Amino acid sequence: GEDVEQSLFLSVREGDSSVINCTYTDSSSTYLYWYKQEPGAGLQLLTYIFSNMDMKQDQRLTVLLNKKDKHLSLRIADTQTGDSAIYFCAEMWDAGNMLTFGGGTRLMVKP
Amino acid sequence: EAQVTQNPRYLITVTGKKLTVTCSQNMNHEYMSWYRQDPGLGLRQIYYSMNVEVTDKGDVPEGYKVSRKEKRNFPLILESPSPNQTSLYFCASSAGLADSYEQYFGPGTRLTVT
Repeated sequence: GEDVEQSLFLSVREGDSSVINCTYTDSSSTYLYWYKQEPGAGLQLLTYIFSNMDMKQDQRLTVLLNKKDKHLSLRIADTQTGDSAIYFCAEMWDAGNMLTFGGGTRLMVKP
Repeated sequence: EAQVTQNPRYLITVTGKKLTVTCSQNMNHEYMSWYRQDPGLGLRQIYYSMNVEVTDKGDVPEGYKVSRKEKRNFPLILESPSPNQTSLYFCASSAGLADSYEQYFGPGTRLTVT
């Protein structure tokens, strides 16, 4: 079945850029998403990209999509301590309105 | 305020005792779904519903039931809970495949089955 993979953990210093990576297997993905989950909270949609786009920028967030390699990344510029959270990538595929999530990457931002 | 609510937020129960987790949304969304979140596995979809009286299985439906009698509510039912259903559960809703691709998530229900 569909598989979405992420590294488990990323640590950066405040002010640096963070890059969170994600790989997926389903070539029929229509939309790819990044969600943020803060401790004890639900998921918050950060941004999404349509599968025919290569890049999307939204303030400090840049999403890059390499469809050939099935690789998605989220870059957070000028990372702040408030960005510490778990980040999930997710893909929506043609079979229906279903999202497949990666395991989540825990981002720790050190002062 | 547009939101998805879940109740209860925390629940500890024993094996075999039927329970229901409620989910309600006030955005008139057609599409609703339930996920469970387990460490290292991300979120996995349990059931989803495209509209009233229309439900379908997700990736991990075993041991769960749902119903969609009204548009705003989508309860998750565990007829005979088992310890492997200890997890964090999220309900989500969206306007549907054609209109909006953003899913709004509830705050989560942490379930422990002993």
